[in-house]
Amino acid sequence: IAGITQAPTSQILAAGRRMTLRCTQDMRHNAMYWYRQDLGLGLRLIHYSNTAGTTGKGEVPDGYSVSRANTDDFPLTLASAVPSQTSVYFCASSDGPANEQFFGPGTRLTVL
Amino acid sequence: GQNIDQPTEMTATEGAIVQINCTYQTSGFNGLFWYQQHAGEAPTFLSYNVLDGLEEKGRFSSFLSRSKGYSYLLLKELQMKDSASYLCAAMDSNYQLIWGAGTKLIIKP
Repeated sequence: IAGITQAPTSQILAAGRRMTLRCTQDMRHNAMYWYRQDLGLGLRLIHYSNTAGTTGKGEVPDGYSVSRANTDDFPLTLASAVPSQTSVYFCASSDGPANEQFFGPGTRLTVL
Repeated sequence: GQNIDQPTEMTATEGAIVQINCTYQTSGFNGLFWYQQHAGEAPTFLSYNVLDGLEEKGRFSSFLSRSKGYSYLLLKELQMKDSASYLCAAMDSNYQLIWGAGTKLIIKP
């Protein structure tokens, strides 16, 4: 692994299903983030983690949950997917909250 | 509220210079970032300004005026590969990034 990876690359999901998007980084960064990107809107922060064992809510956390059991992994879970969660999801990491963020390749999620 | 404004789209000619403007309003301020995003790809970091003035990095320069809540990204000697969206993001007092919707830059030969 080099950098930050996300899985799956894309997914079509039925409404009401549970889904976990995976994110792993090998840069030993303390901070990790989940964003969604929708056409015509800026990236919006869903949840973040400043260090392993801690998480915080971003601008649009409703319907999503995260965990940070270790430094490398930061999964995002949709407990019961709804069509408005159709989006491109980016995971990012940084060496600290004020440093540049490195982004994963993204997961394109469609909820029908 | 917190807000970032940047033009939706700009067109420029290969070899020319283009300036992409960004204005911001945030609760507190811990710096201004510019990212480049090619279609279908992830954003990649271009620059960071926290003090007033111009930061130059090769063909790309970024300027910040904290008193005016204003930044610009200057791209010189444009190449076709510079066709991308350019994202402006301001860091607020909680060290969270507030993102603009991005400026799509179209380069014509």
